[in-house]
Amino acid sequence: AQTVTQSQPEMSVQEAETVTLSCTYDTSESNYYLFWYKQPPSRQMILVIRQEAYKQQNATENRFSVNFQKAAKSFSLKISDSQLGDTAMYFCAFRGGNEKLTFGTGTRLTIIP
Amino acid sequence: NAGVTQTPKFQVLKTGQSMTLQCAQDMNHEYMSWYRQDPGMGLRLIHYSVGAGITDQGEVPNGYNVSRSTTEDFPLRLLSAAPSQTSVYFCASSRVGTGELFFGEGSRLTVL
Repeated sequence: AQTVTQSQPEMSVQEAETVTLSCTYDTSESNYYLFWYKQPPSRQMILVIRQEAYKQQNATENRFSVNFQKAAKSFSLKISDSQLGDTAMYFCAFRGGNEKLTFGTGTRLTIIP
Repeated sequence: NAGVTQTPKFQVLKTGQSMTLQCAQDMNHEYMSWYRQDPGMGLRLIHYSVGAGITDQGEVPNGYNVSRSTTEDFPLRLLSAAPSQTSVYFCASSRVGTGELFFGEGSRLTVL
């Protein structure tokens, strides 16, 4: 079974700074997807960024980028120029060939004005 | 666009009562799933389906039943609610093999 580990339960950073959230996973599969989801206080699950394992290039979405290290099974999220609206829970997730999505336990990120 | 619709958004039950959480999607997605979210534990998969007539268990299936009679609907049934089932429940759907899941807004269930 796949496992996803987020070792940082909480983080905080000053507005406009850069922050990196860590995620590691364990799998024997070679083709899979990795995701970062954001959950603000509204409870809605919002997709931040996705990465296909077969792509070597790291995914980027505006201020959000990932550092995907397939051999190390690491998938960190970098948020540049952080904004107050980035305050949320962030979940790393893995989806393999059986279609099931496995989540980490989350990192609560607070952006300080 | 309706996307994934869950009802009800809030529900309070007494121990032993039964109820059904409804989930419907209008995107013609083959894959549908139910998760529960508890503090410090992330989202855990309860049941999932890859098409009408096909369901399977996830990580925490005990105490829950599902069925998939149509592509659009995937209800989650609690036959005899227990306080341990107090949680926030999410329904999510996607096309098979495409990766991204689309989530409903969640349902907060409290069992007294």
